[in-house]
Amino acid sequence: AQSVAQPEDQVNVAEGNPLTVKCTYSVSGNPYLFWYVQYPNRGLQFLLKYITGDNLVKGSYGFEAEFNKSQTSFHLKKPSALVSDSALYFCAVSPRDTGGFKTIFGAGTRLFVKA
Amino acid sequence: KAGVTQTPRYLIKTRGQQVTLSCSPISGHRSVSWYQQTPGQGLQFLFEYFSETQRNKGNFPGRFSGRQFSNSRSEMNVSTLELGDSALYLCASSLLAGAPNEQFFGPGTRLTVL
Repeated sequence: AQSVAQPEDQVNVAEGNPLTVKCTYSVSGNPYLFWYVQYPNRGLQFLLKYITGDNLVKGSYGFEAEFNKSQTSFHLKKPSALVSDSALYFCAVSPRDTGGFKTIFGAGTRLFVKA
Repeated sequence: KAGVTQTPRYLIKTRGQQVTLSCSPISGHRSVSWYQQTPGQGLQFLFEYFSETQRNKGNFPGRFSGRQFSNSRSEMNVSTLELGDSALYLCASSLLAGAPNEQFFGPGTRLTVL
């Protein structure tokens, strides 16, 4: 079965420190990869996506993600965390062959940045 | 440009009733997808509509249905509500159908089934 794993329910980091939110996937082919963020009482917001090419993808709010094909991972990173980055982060995968979205989301990782 | 709007924001229903949720996509967007978000199951894909046609469907029972109108607005209907249908229902719109187009999500409709 196709799946997306976010192994950490919560990540705690001090403001100013680098952060990493992990994501691995088990999806056939070469899927499209996404990261979304959800703030309280709001819908998901798109952060970045990987389609092809450079393994390091840059996105909104200073976030970037590194695609590793051999490890089927797509970890989200930021060099210096802000308190305002505290939110729920979702990794998502869309198979290329469905002709539509049929996006598979991870369970989410709650990021807590302490001042 | 206005974002994705969903109405109502909150709903309380009882078992056995039916409910209709509405989603208005961003102007110009023709693809609308629906997701169910629960603490236990996370985000699960329900279905996607593009130009009034259902393009993809997730693994939900037939009690869950949807439609899209010519102005791209979409409705989702759940009949014979069960306690397990309590969830946040998110609508997402996209300019075109399918990945890799990014989706823009609405704030959701929180449905509580008593």
